[in-house]
Amino acid sequence: SQQGEEDPQALSIQEGENATMNCSYKTSINNLQWYRQNSGRGLVHLILIRSNEREKHSGRLRVTLDTSKKSSSLLITASRAADTASYFCATEGVMGGATNKLIFGTGTLLAVQP
Amino acid sequence: KAGVTQTPRYLIKTRGQQVTLSCSPISGHRSVSWYQQTPGQGLQFLFEYFSETQRNKGNFPGRFSGRQFSNSRSEMNVSTLELGDSALYLCASNHEFTDTQYFGPGTRLTVL
Repeated sequence: SQQGEEDPQALSIQEGENATMNCSYKTSINNLQWYRQNSGRGLVHLILIRSNEREKHSGRLRVTLDTSKKSSSLLITASRAADTASYFCATEGVMGGATNKLIFGTGTLLAVQP
Repeated sequence: KAGVTQTPRYLIKTRGQQVTLSCSPISGHRSVSWYQQTPGQGLQFLFEYFSETQRNKGNFPGRFSGRQFSNSRSEMNVSTLELGDSALYLCASNHEFTDTQYFGPGTRLTVL
């Protein structure tokens, strides 16, 4: 399967704590994106990191990318109950021309306890 | 700008029937991609359309097809429905000069 792997599958933390999720993928990529999904609804785009970038920040989110290890991590700092959701990484592979084909990871279910 | 809209939001069909789902991308976006999400297989790419042409296709049987209209709206069709087609179908649109894909709320299809 081309699907990426995410670790852990589930994570439960207290409000105010930090949450770290990891993603591994299999092929060379143009970019890697993180998405959030609440209870089987649509996906909300969080952050995009390109293959030539190593770290990116957006508000309470910090994403790192290690292309040599084909892995990425998402850190959510000072978590809130509203952060409770499933988080997915998605990669866009290197292909001739534009693709817009995302390969998704298996997802991490984050539960933030108030 | 309005976001990506998908209709209908929920659909119940029986085996053997066919179904058509619709997706309207964000204004100005010419690319529309479709994904299937199931508990067992996760999120999987179906196909992508750009300027009315299918540009990419995932590993799904020929029962799954799609098209895109001149206003960039897209439809996907599933013929001869099977129980395993029960899923959340998501479409995403993106501008040709950016890589970010914006997803709609999805259509929940249940096949009985």
